[in-house]
Amino acid sequence: GAVVSQHPSWVICKSGTSVKIECRSLDFQATTMFWYRQFPKQSLMLMATSNEGSKATYEQGVEKDKFLINHASLTLSTLTVTSAHPEDSSFYICSARPVLNNSPLHFGNGTRLTVT
Amino acid sequence: DQQVKQNSPSLSVQEGRISILNCDYTNSMFDYFLWYKKYPAEGPTFLISISSIKDKNEDGRFTVFLNKSAKHLSLHIVPSQPGDSAVYFCAASGYTGNQFYFGTGTSLTVIP
Repeated sequence: GAVVSQHPSWVICKSGTSVKIECRSLDFQATTMFWYRQFPKQSLMLMATSNEGSKATYEQGVEKDKFLINHASLTLSTLTVTSAHPEDSSFYICSARPVLNNSPLHFGNGTRLTVT
Repeated sequence: DQQVKQNSPSLSVQEGRISILNCDYTNSMFDYFLWYKKYPAEGPTFLISISSIKDKNEDGRFTVFLNKSAKHLSLHIVPSQPGDSAVYFCAASGYTGNQFYFGTGTSLTVIP
């Protein structure tokens, strides 16, 4: 089945530093990848849609200058949390969908970010 | 506005019994529905899906039912096993759309 790999699985950083999270589709090409954020006991919140070769599309309320997204190839998207603050601490999950009708989203295992 | 809703935040079921998880949606343009299972600190895992041309899809112990007129879908797990204990999310999308809308999840506990 389709596999999405996300790295790192957890990271602790100091306030003011930047953190990069990688998302790779291992056995399929993904022109579009999605970045979600999950707060404790809440649903998955779509942050942005990453488009290969073009700018990402951000959801309302998500700061594009804070959450930089780069979709450098058909199998890799990165999310960089810039100048991280403690309120950015969360669980970030990427997902991708094979370019087939009726195919589900496949998720990475998520990244637990803790900003101290 | 929450377009996909899971009104039961938690559910407890005895091992061997049926688990029924429910999901309601508001957008009549949705025509592709999915269920995901999620363990803590992990990404969601795809379980089963159904398109709007069907009203039932079965995969082993998991069956998804779709009632389009009521804008309601449900996931049945029979028989329930302790390893099924997790949070279950339903999701909906347009058939070829990229936007997936998730419910808030139902935490299932299967009691041995």
